[in-house]
Amino acid sequence: NAGVTQTPKFQVLKTGQSMTLQCAQDMNHNSMYWYRQDPGMGLRLIYYSASEGTTDKGEVPNGYNVSRLNKREFSLRLESAAPSQTSVYFCASSTLPGHNYEQYFGPGTRLTVT
Amino acid sequence: LAKTTQPISMDSYEGQEVNITCSHNNIATNDYITWYQQFPSQGPRFIIQGYKTKVTNEVASLFIPADRKSSTLSLPRVSLSDTAVYYCLVGAPYGGATNKLIFGTGTLLAVQP
Repeated sequence: NAGVTQTPKFQVLKTGQSMTLQCAQDMNHNSMYWYRQDPGMGLRLIYYSASEGTTDKGEVPNGYNVSRLNKREFSLRLESAAPSQTSVYFCASSTLPGHNYEQYFGPGTRLTVT
Repeated sequence: LAKTTQPISMDSYEGQEVNITCSHNNIATNDYITWYQQFPSQGPRFIIQGYKTKVTNEVASLFIPADRKSSTLSLPRVSLSDTAVYYCLVGAPYGGATNKLIFGTGTLLAVQP
């Protein structure tokens, strides 16, 4: 039982390049989330998926797109990377959406945009 | 969504009990209080959750007074490995609150030998 896995662990992009961050969970959770964490700051929600087939914007969605490929996988895409998107990205999942349900986090992807 | 306020940092020594208080004056009737722990270079980890009074598990206790406008996370006999950032979250079940999941800056607990 791997929990929540994320790939890649590290990535360096040039401004304007695109990439997709992958996330998968094997806990049969319905809800999945993408957060970003900037140095010295808390986590900010980018997008979430309450259940398979649905996605909604979080606090900071601009510059990102997501795909809930199936129940297990939730990807985050940067179409045209900008230096302001340099951050650590965390994926999480929970049985159901909302604060009542424990979120399980992946190890993070450290992204640098130059 | 109820805004939370926590101390930015706290210091402690090994073996002491640590209490971290979170203020949430605008907590709503349906809101629960949840605490997460985050070590450097790792994702947050769920510690404890409660609605009122006291909740205890194998790692911590959560005290919530009757008015629910604050809560206190209590870590008994901390060790060096408890050095981490602790986040307090307040929110309701899905029904519009999910898009406002906000961790805030948390409290950096530094445990010294």
